[in-house]
Amino acid sequence: NAGVTQTPKFQVLKTGQSMTLQCAQDMNHNSMYWYRQDPGMGLRLIYYSASEGTTDKGEVPNGYNVSRLNKREFSLRLESAAPSQTSVYFCASSDRDRRYSNQPQHFGDGTRLSIL
Amino acid sequence: GQSLEQPSEVTAVEGAIVQINCTYQTSGFYGLSWYQQHDGGAPTFLSYNALDGLEETGRFSSFLSRSDSYGYLLLQELQMKDSASYFCAVRGAGNNRKLIWGLGTSLAVNP
Repeated sequence: NAGVTQTPKFQVLKTGQSMTLQCAQDMNHNSMYWYRQDPGMGLRLIYYSASEGTTDKGEVPNGYNVSRLNKREFSLRLESAAPSQTSVYFCASSDRDRRYSNQPQHFGDGTRLSIL
Repeated sequence: GQSLEQPSEVTAVEGAIVQINCTYQTSGFYGLSWYQQHDGGAPTFLSYNALDGLEETGRFSSFLSRSDSYGYLLLQELQMKDSASYFCAVRGAGNNRKLIWGLGTSLAVNP
């Protein structure tokens, strides 16, 4: 009953280091998302993938890259980490929405990332 | 621009009823969702309204008025475990599957 699994759960980086956050879902969902959550800022979408083979920018994509490796996996890469990227990162997945039928997003437990 | 407004904090006592409001301004509208997030945890889906009216799921209900660009989450028979942050989110037209999120309402339930 795994749902959405994120690794690692915690990470500390130095400025300039690179890092890939991993996300995998076992619900056969088409869509996957990466969010960051900062205190008082709610959830902000970084990138999303509507289906395998496609990725699109969200609200705050600068400094990040993503790869939709297959239907199950969606990774987020920080090429050169900056202190402003200190945050909690959530991966989520959902089925394809219909016009008036919402598919809930299912979230992983998050990765707490600190950049010094 | 696109934005959602909800109160930052609400306090209530066990057994009471609390209403968390959400007003939105978006280009197009395909539905209002509510999510719950406990401290240090992942957001979890609570409810969804695409059409006007009330949706009830146990102790929680959600209401939508599209003409007023307004919705609310109603929590009844409050329990201590309901202390959490509650987020409204809107799926706008032309946004594929992207949700636009409010900043969240922190609910504290006191004994």
